[in-house]
Order: sequence, then structure tokens, then C-alpha cells
Amino acid sequence: EAQVTQNPRYLITVTGKKLTVTCSQNMNHEYMSWYRQDPGLGLRQIYYSMNVEVTDKGDVPEGYKVSRKEKRNFPLILESPSPNQTSLYFCASSFSAGTDYGYTFGSGTRLTVV
Amino acid sequence: AQKVTQAQTEISVVEKEDVTLDCVYETRDTTYYLFWYKQPPSGELVFLIRRNSFDEQNEISGRYSWNFQKSTSSFNFTITASQVVDSAVYFCALSERGFQKLVFGTGTRLLVSP
Repeated sequence: EAQVTQNPRYLITVTGKKLTVTCSQNMNHEYMSWYRQDPGLGLRQIYYSMNVEVTDKGDVPEGYKVSRKEKRNFPLILESPSPNQTSLYFCASSFSAGTDYGYTFGSGTRLTVV
Repeated sequence: AQKVTQAQTEISVVEKEDVTLDCVYETRDTTYYLFWYKQPPSGELVFLIRRNSFDEQNEISGRYSWNFQKSTSSFNFTITASQVVDSAVYFCALSERGFQKLVFGTGTRLLVSP
């Protein structure tokens, strides 16, 4: 089954403790991206990647890191999480962004930073 | 500039009523793509429809229908004979050719009461 898999689904952590949210897709998509969803703000892009070793900032990249060492994986790293990073996170992939190809989203990761 | 406006924050209806969710977008490009997603209480994003800017035909899928009007930059979504299972947050989104992200509206929460 074609899918984007995010882990974990739920995570509660403490301020300053480094964490990684994993994202993996099995569709050989070149494009992958991370979004965060906050009440009243919709979803906003954090980072995206056009292909292996090619990443770029989205609209809200502060406090996050990403890497794309393999085509299928695009982990989101919070090196020193803060409470304002409490949010619902989505990973998405596409064969090609900004085209008629659609996007496939993961199931989401609900992160709470206390 | 890319922007999606969903002016209706929350809509409450009684089962079997028809309901229309509004979406107004801004773009400078002539080639773009519009999407609707449903987010049920479980949190995942469920893809509903994708429409490109060259296809202004309205679409109907069961109880769902979409009205795309370039003249008013709108892509409205109507649910006919709403059901309790339609209760969710609905997001409209825009993707421009060559741009590496989806721009989301802030969402409309639909509550369908029995």
C-alpha cells in the first residue's frame, strides 16, 4: 500500500530534550515536506526537500532541522524543543510539487512539549 | 502572493441540511491547483479533491460537490444532506506551479448534529 508513515503518533516531551519525528514514504517520491498545524493558523510548511541531499526552509523553520540522506526518509529534528513547538505535525510527499500530482500525507504526530 | 481564505471558522447544521464551505484564493499564476482535505476528529488528513486551474467544470461525488469559479477566485464545497459523519475540519489549499508547498486556509469546522 502506498503510504507515508510517521512515527510516533503521539509524543510528550520536556523542554530541551532532543527528539526526532520520522517520516518514510514507499512511493519513490522526490518531494517531501513537513507541516505544522496550529489552531486558527491552518497548516504551515516547516521544511521541504526536492530530492536526496536537497532541502530548503519553508515558512516556519526556526527551531527545526531536517535531513534527506535517503529518498524514502525525511526526519524532522527538534534539537531543543520548546513549548511553542507543541503542535500537530504532518509529513507529506509527492512525485513532483507544484504540478498536477497530488500530495500524500502521513497520519500526523501530535507533539506536546512541557 | 499565495493565499487561501476560509472565512467560516465554524458551521453548525442539523443532519440532512445542505451546507456550503467557502474558499477564496489569491494567486498571480495562471497555472495552479486547488485541493480540499477533510480532517476528522482522529486527526489525519483525508484528500477529497484536486482541481487544476484549467478545469472549471464543477464536480459531484456522491453527496459532495465542488464549484470552481475563476472569475471570483473561489472553490466552494457543498455537502448535500449532511450526516453526523461529516463532522470534521475541512481545509482548502492552493499549490502554484513551480512552488514547493501547499498553502492552506485556516480551516472550517463543521458540526453536524443528529
